[in-house]
Amino acid sequence: QQQVKQSPQSLIVQKGGIPIINCAYENTAFDYFPWYQQFPGKGPALLIAIRPDVSEKKEGRFTISFNKSAKQFSLHIMDSQPGDSATYFCAATGSGSARQLTFGSGTQLTVLP
Amino acid sequence: NAGVTQTPKFQVLKTGQSMTLQCAQDMNHNSMYWYRQDPGMGLRLIYYSASEGTTDKGEVPNGYNVSRLNKREFSLRLESAAPSQTSVYFCASSEREGGSQRQTQYFGPGTRLLVL
Repeated sequence: QQQVKQSPQSLIVQKGGIPIINCAYENTAFDYFPWYQQFPGKGPALLIAIRPDVSEKKEGRFTISFNKSAKQFSLHIMDSQPGDSATYFCAATGSGSARQLTFGSGTQLTVLP
Repeated sequence: NAGVTQTPKFQVLKTGQSMTLQCAQDMNHNSMYWYRQDPGMGLRLIYYSASEGTTDKGEVPNGYNVSRLNKREFSLRLESAAPSQTSVYFCASSEREGGSQRQTQYFGPGTRLLVL
């Protein structure tokens, strides 16, 4: 059962473009929504995260938009660069002793020079 | 700090063989996790340990066992490997930050396992 649905599976943009990756969740108990970035051969690393009481969060060129009523959130990358080429995972977590993450299926982003 | 380390980096097994994947963290985190990553499937939680002395099943625990050896170390064992267990395995650790919802998971570099 996939509780976090992510799209698109892959995305190709030109340098300077604004790729947008979308995620939707089902479990209303989720209360923390991080995005992870993964480069080939490496483990995922936290990029940016948001709580459901906030509709938008910006960190540098990365922005999360959050729509609680629709149970959707998205990642926008402003002025994308070839170095942003990576796989991006959205995730969600709720209550629980270890606050385990439920991940989306990932989006492979390629930014062309 | 090395963060989260995993050994081995790559392993080839024959069907039916057993092996243990090792994971250690030096961040004094209470919680540790094992994931597998397959194309198009994202990361799926195999087992986790909320604190030393406790372990719990995740989404895909069948065919695996774990041991939380101490606060630093969390191992994953395949008793009888199957081709369906060919995957990339990631270990992670985390600690809740100041009682908030924020609990960043820090991942190791992964172990690439091929079961023939």
